[in-house]
Amino acid sequence: KAGVTQTPRYLIKTRGQQVTLSCSPISGHRSVSWYQQTPGQGLQFLFEYFSETQRNKGNFPGRFSGRQFSNSRSEMNVSTLELGDSALYLCASSRGQAEGNEKLFFGSGTQLSVL
Amino acid sequence: EDQVTQSPEALRLQEGESSSLNCSYTVSGLRGLFWYRQDPGKGPEFLFTLYSAGEEKEKERLKATLTKKESFLHITAPKPEDSATYLCAVQAWAGNNRKLIWGLGTSLAVNP
Repeated sequence: KAGVTQTPRYLIKTRGQQVTLSCSPISGHRSVSWYQQTPGQGLQFLFEYFSETQRNKGNFPGRFSGRQFSNSRSEMNVSTLELGDSALYLCASSRGQAEGNEKLFFGSGTQLSVL
Repeated sequence: EDQVTQSPEALRLQEGESSSLNCSYTVSGLRGLFWYRQDPGKGPEFLFTLYSAGEEKEKERLKATLTKKESFLHITAPKPEDSATYLCAVQAWAGNNRKLIWGLGTSLAVNP
């Protein structure tokens, strides 16, 4: 069974640009969550999508947005990039049970560097 | 404020030298505590879920325990392949939303 796939693996952008990251979850998983990981802040929750609807959202500015398609694939967009957006962006999938407590399956992430 | 604190930040062990990693938490409405392992250049990989104080789970050389305020990840006779960052996360409910709060991790290095 294929794992969670994130593309691209590495990305270099300059301030002010925008970027789109892609995530393909494990087959049968309907929930996709996005996280930002930095050495100083650890894993910070961005948002969760389930059946094409945003089900949960973290405390990030509106520059960070996402969407989910009918095949459960998800994209995350960051507009007007800032230096502080440099981080590893991780996508995690799960079946999406409402009560939670599910284990998450993570992709290898997209390493974004903003110059 | 809900918080998860892991200690130590970094730990270096000799092969076979057992030790424990700590995860202390202050959250309201705990719904589960998770341990993950993260290797360099990869995403976290699930290890255990603990739900209530007194619960224990084991997998190979790892054993996770839970009290009302903290969790321990015990590593017995570690091997170099156990070197990784170990992350703790706590799931809690805030109103109608559930949230997963992560610690910063413990970076473990096991020398042969």
